[in-house]
Amino acid sequence: DTAVSQTPKYLVTQMGNDKSIKCEQNLGHDTMYWYKQDSKKFLKIMFSYNNKELIINETVPNRFSPKSPDKAHLNLHINSLELGDSAVYFCASSQAARWANGYTFGSGTRLTVV
Amino acid sequence: QKEVEQNSGPLSVPEGAIASLNCTYSDRGSQSFFWYRQYSGKSPELIMFIYSNGDKEDGRFTAQLNKASQYVSLLIRDSQPSDSATYLCAVNLSGANNLFFGTGTRLTVIP
Repeated sequence: DTAVSQTPKYLVTQMGNDKSIKCEQNLGHDTMYWYKQDSKKFLKIMFSYNNKELIINETVPNRFSPKSPDKAHLNLHINSLELGDSAVYFCASSQAARWANGYTFGSGTRLTVV
Repeated sequence: QKEVEQNSGPLSVPEGAIASLNCTYSDRGSQSFFWYRQYSGKSPELIMFIYSNGDKEDGRFTAQLNKASQYVSLLIRDSQPSDSATYLCAVNLSGANNLFFGTGTRLTVIP
């Protein structure tokens, strides 16, 4: 009954490969996010979708492409992986009209590019 | 200047003491403020939120907000070793549709 689930939990891959991370939420939230957490624990917003519509697209390389087939799913595809992409990627969801509840985070995907 | 700033620590307190964590933010129009706790290797979990100036208490946790000075703090009373974690301050900046996070303060409670 996980509220926000991400797969895979760990991903080790070589430079130049293409990989995807999947995220699903069963909370009925209308907004989903991708955050990147670097080795210093800094969480930086990458993308945000509201009801399948892209509302935030921060300055990230265009090798990163989000896709939201419906409001319960937000996937992240990364092309031509680079060493600097190594980080933990968190999916999160929220109900935009109810900020008091903050975000619910997924368990994270630790991506290691070798 | 970063949108949200925290002292990265580490902050060490003895068991039973009060731990005080501070956060400043750049946007005076910010409305919503959150504290998340993140254990090593885990995802952040929400522990407190505050909107209004003053104090908000929940068990051993007290959030304090001072909009004039643009800071928000978290006090943890009777600190326990299980409180050892990184504490992330997050702010919903005015006009933004997402939360901006600080870099976190690592807290260690020494038994």
